[in-house]
Amino acid sequence: AQRVTQPEKLLSVFKGAPVELKCNYSYSGSPELFWYVQYSRQRLQLLLRHISRESIKGFTADLNKGETSFHLKKPFAQEEDSAMYYCASHPDTGRRALTFGSGTRLQVQP
Amino acid sequence: EPEVTQTPSHQVTQMGQEVILRCVPISNHLYFYWYRQILGQKVEFLVSFYNNEISEKSEIFDDQFSVERPDGSNFTLKIRSTKLEDSAMYFCASSEGGDLDNSPLHFGNGTRLTVT
Repeated sequence: AQRVTQPEKLLSVFKGAPVELKCNYSYSGSPELFWYVQYSRQRLQLLLRHISRESIKGFTADLNKGETSFHLKKPFAQEEDSAMYYCASHPDTGRRALTFGSGTRLQVQP
Repeated sequence: EPEVTQTPSHQVTQMGQEVILRCVPISNHLYFYWYRQILGQKVEFLVSFYNNEISEKSEIFDDQFSVERPDGSNFTLKIRSTKLEDSAMYFCASSEGGDLDNSPLHFGNGTRLTVT
């Protein structure tokens, strides 16, 4: 079965510190991977997707097929980055159902 | 920027009652979805809908659930006889196309369903 694992429920860092939110997946093929973010009292929204290889709000995520990981990174955390972050995936079989990880709450302290 | 809207924001119902959760997807989007998140658990896929029919559904989406697009704008999720374990946040989402890589999901704010 498809699985997306986010091992940390909570990650607390100080402003300016590097951030790495971990995500591992288990699929036999080549899944498409995404990071979604939910800021306080806001809706769940797409942060970035691996296929576009973009940097959004200073965040990047690289797909590592060897380690089956898609960790989200930012070199210098800002207080406004505090939010719930969800890693998500769907298999490359044309299905549209996203499988979400359990989420990691990022707290950036001043 | 257009948004997916969901009503109500919070619904309280008694066990065994029927509930209808309402969503207005973004107007030019063609694919519609329902997800749910039980408190403290993962966001889980329920169903996707395209061209007036269900295109995909999960094991959670049993005979108690149904979806409908009754007019050109609304997309509803009906739970026929609610159970305590149906208590969750229900998210509606829509996408312009079916390829999630190029048509990301846009989520609504959710409806919190509480079954007592």
